[in-house]
Amino acid sequence: DTAVSQTPKYLVTQMGNDKSIKCEQNLGHDTMYWYKQDSKKFLKIMFSYNNKELIINETVPNRFSPKSPDKAHLNLHINSLELGDSAVYFCASSPPGLAGSQQYFGPGTRLTVT
Amino acid sequence: QKEVEQNSGPLSVPEGAIASLNCTYSDRGSQSFFWYRQYSGKSPELIMSIYSNGDKEDGRFTAQLNKASQYVSLLIRDSQPSDSATYLCAVTTLSGGFKTIFGAGTRLFVKA
Repeated sequence: DTAVSQTPKYLVTQMGNDKSIKCEQNLGHDTMYWYKQDSKKFLKIMFSYNNKELIINETVPNRFSPKSPDKAHLNLHINSLELGDSAVYFCASSPPGLAGSQQYFGPGTRLTVT
Repeated sequence: QKEVEQNSGPLSVPEGAIASLNCTYSDRGSQSFFWYRQYSGKSPELIMSIYSNGDKEDGRFTAQLNKASQYVSLLIRDSQPSDSATYLCAVTTLSGGFKTIFGAGTRLFVKA
């Protein structure tokens, strides 16, 4: 299937642990993103990569570290998890476009920190 | 001032009516405007994109853009219960690099 995929879909872990979320897109897009959606459904950008290079890094704690081994993959590693990290994390990708392009979202990873 | 503002709702309309969703944005240099639909527990999916002033129609959906007023809207005609979802307005701005800012979303309920 042509899509943006994320693993795992659900992640339950304890405070202080380190965890990773993986994202892959087979759409041939150059740009990939990580978003965080909190309990109030507000979708906020965290990072954006273009051809493996970081282009947007919002005010995110440095416990969050994205890694892009190639332009089809963008993984998110989170160190020392905190209760406030509980949210749904969406990966997305977009094709190149001067005026900005639509984004294609993965299914999301629901992270619960206890 | 929030960068992209939407009325959080919920907006409730009867089946068959027109649902009108509104969005304002703060960055005058914004280039691209999108409406995404998000069902509960699902990921956002694109409904409409609009880049220039005026109306753009696609089936039951019409997007309207007024850059002078920094306003974008989505009209859903002949609303169906399956349209019940959260609608996210998104604006791509040049400031700070190409960045898409999402509004907090408007929850729409279509009553059968």
